[in-house]
Amino acid sequence: EDQVTQSPEALRLQEGESSSLNCSYTVSGLRGLFWYRQDPGKGPEFLFTLYSAGEEKEKERLKATLTKKESFLHITAPKPEDSATYLCAVPRGFGNEKLTFGTGTRLTIIP
Amino acid sequence: GAGVSQSPSNKVTEKGKDVELRCDPISGHTALYWYRQSLGQGLEFLIYFQGNSAPDKSGLPSDRFSAERTGGSVSTLTIQRTQQEDSAVYLCASSFSAADSYEQYFGPGTRLTVT
Repeated sequence: EDQVTQSPEALRLQEGESSSLNCSYTVSGLRGLFWYRQDPGKGPEFLFTLYSAGEEKEKERLKATLTKKESFLHITAPKPEDSATYLCAVPRGFGNEKLTFGTGTRLTIIP
Repeated sequence: GAGVSQSPSNKVTEKGKDVELRCDPISGHTALYWYRQSLGQGLEFLIYFQGNSAPDKSGLPSDRFSAERTGGSVSTLTIQRTQQEDSAVYLCASSFSAADSYEQYFGPGTRLTVT
């Protein structure tokens, strides 16, 4: 069964303190790995899709990378507005329509 | 443009009552998904609609759960004889097609509390 595990569960950083969030997965035949951001009381917001090991994508202070067993979301010089829960997900089944999500990392950036 | 909308935003119901949750997808999106998010757990896939095809109901946790999508647009998730374990945030998402389903746009969710 496909599994997605995220660590740490929670992370508190000072503003400007860079770090990384981890998403490890066990799937048979990875067809993509997706990162979402979720703010309290809101639905997840799509950030990135990664398809193959070695692939990297960037958006502002975020960079997502992918290996054969895990993905990292690197956050560089974070600001308080980057505080959110970050979710990763992998598709299961024959298409991308069923996503298996991790439980997320709750990131807090302290001014 | 308008995003995915859901109503109500909050619903408190008594155990044993039926509830209906509504989702309005983004105009032009042919794929619609329902997920459930419980405290401390990840999003759980419930059901998926693609155009006029029969829905994929493989994620529904019991036969008390059902969903329909009228006219390829608005969807309603119905929970019959609600139980306390049904308390969760129910999220709806839509996308242009199943092939692009990874870019799923989520609504704000309906927080269901069963007392």
